[in-house]
Amino acid sequence: AQRVTQPEKLLSVFKGAPVELKCNYSYSGSPELFWYVQYSRQRLQLLLRHISRESIKGFTADLNKGETSFHLKKPFAQEEDSAMYYCALSPNSGNTPLVFGKGTRLSVIA
Amino acid sequence: DAGVIQSPRHEVTEMGQEVTLRCKPISGHNSLFWYRQTMMRGLELLIYFNNNVPIDDSGMPEDRFSAKMPNASFSTLKIQPSEPRDSAVYFCASSWGIATDTQYFGPGTRLTVL
Repeated sequence: AQRVTQPEKLLSVFKGAPVELKCNYSYSGSPELFWYVQYSRQRLQLLLRHISRESIKGFTADLNKGETSFHLKKPFAQEEDSAMYYCALSPNSGNTPLVFGKGTRLSVIA
Repeated sequence: DAGVIQSPRHEVTEMGQEVTLRCKPISGHNSLFWYRQTMMRGLELLIYFNNNVPIDDSGMPEDRFSAKMPNASFSTLKIQPSEPRDSAVYFCASSWGIATDTQYFGPGTRLTVL
């Protein structure tokens, strides 16, 4: 069965410090991985997808199939990055929805 | 488009009362998902529908929980009777297709059961 693990419930960093939100997955096939974000008073929304290999709001994430990881990184944290972050996996099969991790709350301290 | 609409936004009720949460998905989407968010368990998928048909309700915690989707533009999640441990934020999300990367979430309903 597919599983997404986010080992940290809460991560606090100082403004300007690097950020890494960890995500590990368990799936035997070739999944697609995503990061969703929920800012305060806003809806949960898609932040980025691994197939796009894009940088959104300074965040990047690389899929490491050997380590089955998809960590979210940003070199310099900003206060507006404070939010709840969810890693998600799509098994790429027709009838299986996204599998979400339990989430990590990022707090950027000024 | 206003996006996914949920009502009420906040609900406070007493233990034992029936609670009904409502969701209007984005027009044209054929899949709808109900989630529960708590500090302890994170984001849990409760049930999802495709073309108004329930596909998987294995995430529903107990028989006290039920969900319906009578048409493509409306779904309800009912808890009867409610208990304090049901207190959480309940999200509805919709998408085109079940196995999609982009689910569009509603603002959520914050439920408090006293």
